[in-house]
Formats: sequence, C-alpha cells, structure tokens
Amino acid sequence: GQNIDQPTEMTATEGAIVQINCTYQTSGFNGLFWYQQHAGEAPTFLSYNVLDGLEEKGRFSSFLSRSKGYSYLLLKELQMKDSASYLCAVLDSNYQLIWGAGTKLIIKP
Amino acid sequence: GAVVSQHPSRVICKSGTSVKIECRSLDFQATTMFWYRQFPKQSLMLMATSNEGSKATYEQGVEKDKFLINHASLTLSTLTVTSAHPEDSSFYICSARDPEPENEQFFGPGTRLTVL
Repeated sequence: GQNIDQPTEMTATEGAIVQINCTYQTSGFNGLFWYQQHAGEAPTFLSYNVLDGLEEKGRFSSFLSRSKGYSYLLLKELQMKDSASYLCAVLDSNYQLIWGAGTKLIIKP
Repeated sequence: GAVVSQHPSRVICKSGTSVKIECRSLDFQATTMFWYRQFPKQSLMLMATSNEGSKATYEQGVEKDKFLINHASLTLSTLTVTSAHPEDSSFYICSARDPEPENEQFFGPGTRLTVL
C-alpha cells in the first residue's frame, strides 16, 4: 500500500529552527510537495522536490532523498504566523497526490 | 503561481436542499481537478478526480449519486451536494492540476458548508 508518515504535532519557540520530517512509501515517485495550511483555510504551496538535495526558499527549505524515501521541511527564524499544519504529499506513478495526515506546528513566544 | 477560485466561500442551507460549488482555474487550463473534503482537525480526504469531458472517478466510500461532479470545461468543475444532511457539513476544497511545468496542484480557497 501507499503510505506517508509525518509527526502529528510539533512545538517550537519563536525565532528558533524546526525540522518536520516526512517518510513515504508509494507506487512510483514523480515529486514531493510541502503545503502549509492554516486552520479554516485551504492549503498553500510551499515547495516541490523531484531531485535529491536541498531546495532553499527564504526561511523555508525542503530536502529530498529518494533512495531513503525521506524528506524534511526546515523552517528558520520561526514567527508566530508559522503556526499551522504542514502537509507532505507525494505524486505517485499515476500522477495522483498521496497525502500525509499533516503536522500541526505550534509556535510559542 | 496559478490561481484557483471557488464559489461560494460559505453556505448555510436546510437539510434536504442541494448545494452547488464551483471551482475555476483562472489562468491555466486544468484537464484534471480534484475535490477534497476536510473535517475539523483532520487531513484532506480525496473525494473524486474530475476529468474534463469524462465522468469523474470517485474514491471508495463516496456516493457518486450524492456528490455530483461536472467538469464542463478546461477551467470549470462543479460539485453538487444533493439532498444535503447535517453530516455533510464540512470544508470542501477543490484543486486543479497544472501540467506545466511540474504537475503542481493549486488549491481553491475552500467552501464551508453548514447543513442545518
């Protein structure tokens, strides 16, 4: 079966760095997405990785290792507005998105 | 990035009525659109995949006669919740796939349906 695993909840301090991990087992791989979702809102795109390595975009970076079926989202200089759920999703061989359950990130002052 | 609109953003209706939700890709043509439902504090649940010009593909457990999907054009898909009941109250989100360059899915802002 297809499976995406990510922690249910994480807590971090304002100004700090947090890493949200995602492991996947899917039928085929055509890329991995990270989305941010605030409560009551639709997800918004953060990053896309299809090749191994680190993609940096401002305060957010995303890493992919295809051989390990592993990705992480790194958030630096955390701000209170970063409190949200972070969803990991993999595009499988049929170009369907397989979603993780999301990681709720709580930022404390 | 590409823009997907969804209308209405919020709807409150009486039990037994039907509600139509529109999803539009504003600046790209989407051959495939997706409809999700999300209950409070839960992850997205894919309901169906909507392909332009053909019948939608429904996920297991989703009643196709209750959730009617019409993908009339490359920029418009509609979801009609027929004879809505309180248990259908949820956050409905559509997304549209832009095949170029990365098959990214862009999400609409969502529709919050409350059935009284």
